[in-house]
Amino acid sequence: DAGVIQSPRHEVTEMGQEVTLRCKPISGHDYLFWYRQTMMRGLELLIYFNNNVPIDDSGMPEDRFSAKMPNASFSTLKIQPSEPRDSAVYFCASRRREDYGYTFGSGTRLTVV
Amino acid sequence: GDSVTQMEGPVTLSEEAFLTINCTYTATGYPSLFWYVQYPGEGLQLLLKATKADDKGSNKGFEATYRKETTSFHLEKGSVQVSDSAVYFCALSSGGYQKVTFGTGTKLQVIP
Repeated sequence: DAGVIQSPRHEVTEMGQEVTLRCKPISGHDYLFWYRQTMMRGLELLIYFNNNVPIDDSGMPEDRFSAKMPNASFSTLKIQPSEPRDSAVYFCASRRREDYGYTFGSGTRLTVV
Repeated sequence: GDSVTQMEGPVTLSEEAFLTINCTYTATGYPSLFWYVQYPGEGLQLLLKATKADDKGSNKGFEATYRKETTSFHLEKGSVQVSDSAVYFCALSSGGYQKVTFGTGTKLQVIP
């Protein structure tokens, strides 16, 4: 099992540009989560999906953020336009319904300059 | 709403010292409790869990006991190693929801 795979590992972009982060969950996992980690705010849940359907997006900061899960093996988090305050590490995690814990990816470190 | 409070770090210990990282929680109903560990440059990994009162979770020499009366889930290890240096997160999930609420994390540094 390759685990949860995120790409890219690092992204540096200029303010105003569109950024797309990608995630491949573990096969067979029913739930997918996107988290953001910063020193100031810790780990924040942005959105989560169940069977590819968005269930709760109340943590998405604003309309500049959007997430999709077109199939069970792929999800994207898009920021358009990006701003310096979006700089953070973005984690994707997945789990099966019957499990208690998440499996996290290694994260994408986003820097917006 | 649900919340997790854990001791602020960093915690610096010498190798073979005893470790305690305090964690208390506020939640409706009967949450499941977790400790996750994050090594530098990596995602969080589930370290141990407890799903009901008085359960003890354990893994890799770490232990934590679910104390409903004190709403606590303190992490302990009898003898830490340099390789235990990481950030430790206490977390809970409750009410049948799939969301997990994380604490702010405690950085542990173990020196030889």
